[in-house]
Amino acid sequence: EPEVTQTPSHQVTQMGQEVILRCVPISNHLYFYWYRQILGQKVEFLVSFYNNEISEKSEIFDDQFSVERPDGSNFTLKIRSTKLEDSAMYFCASSLDRLNTEAFFGQGTRLTVV
Amino acid sequence: AQKVTQAQTEISVVEKEDVTLDCVYETRDTTYYLFWYKQPPSGELVFLIRRNSFDEQNEISGRYSWNFQKSTSSFNFTITASQVVDSAVYFCALSEARSGGSNYKLTFGKGTLLTVNP
Repeated sequence: EPEVTQTPSHQVTQMGQEVILRCVPISNHLYFYWYRQILGQKVEFLVSFYNNEISEKSEIFDDQFSVERPDGSNFTLKIRSTKLEDSAMYFCASSLDRLNTEAFFGQGTRLTVV
Repeated sequence: AQKVTQAQTEISVVEKEDVTLDCVYETRDTTYYLFWYKQPPSGELVFLIRRNSFDEQNEISGRYSWNFQKSTSSFNFTITASQVVDSAVYFCALSEARSGGSNYKLTFGKGTLLTVNP
């Protein structure tokens, strides 16, 4: 069964460092998303991406964040200068259509900023 | 703006009991989609069901059933004869279908932690 894969599963970084979280969406999917879940809290939307551009972003997704689909298969989330409050589980998701008929989520990357 | 409320923060039951997880949503759209996801202790999000706003038929899948009522803006989830493996956080989510061509985000509730004790 096709799946969304995320790497790494866990990353520890020092405050102020740049991190790149990587995702390989399902191959024929066209819509891509990043979500964040701070420990013990709800899953929050960060950004959606279609046709090589951001289609919507939340207020969480400030200038420290960027997304890219560099090679047609990977979908990355970059945090330019990490803060302690960026510590969270980051989920990548992809869907075939724009109505999230079934948004498939990756297993998540747990980011710990120390 | 869309909003999802899961008023039950934690529920604890004994195995084989039935349990219902509540979900109430708010939206201004007439077309929208509702979802349930399961998050086991391992952390991944597992898709359980998607329901569109025009389909109010209840659905049953094995021990799982869902009751969608537009009149009360609720989309409740019942697990019949619960098992220890059902222990997880369960999230209800909403996606609005506005025109315009962009893809649509999911808005999640805060989740309900279900613990099924042997």
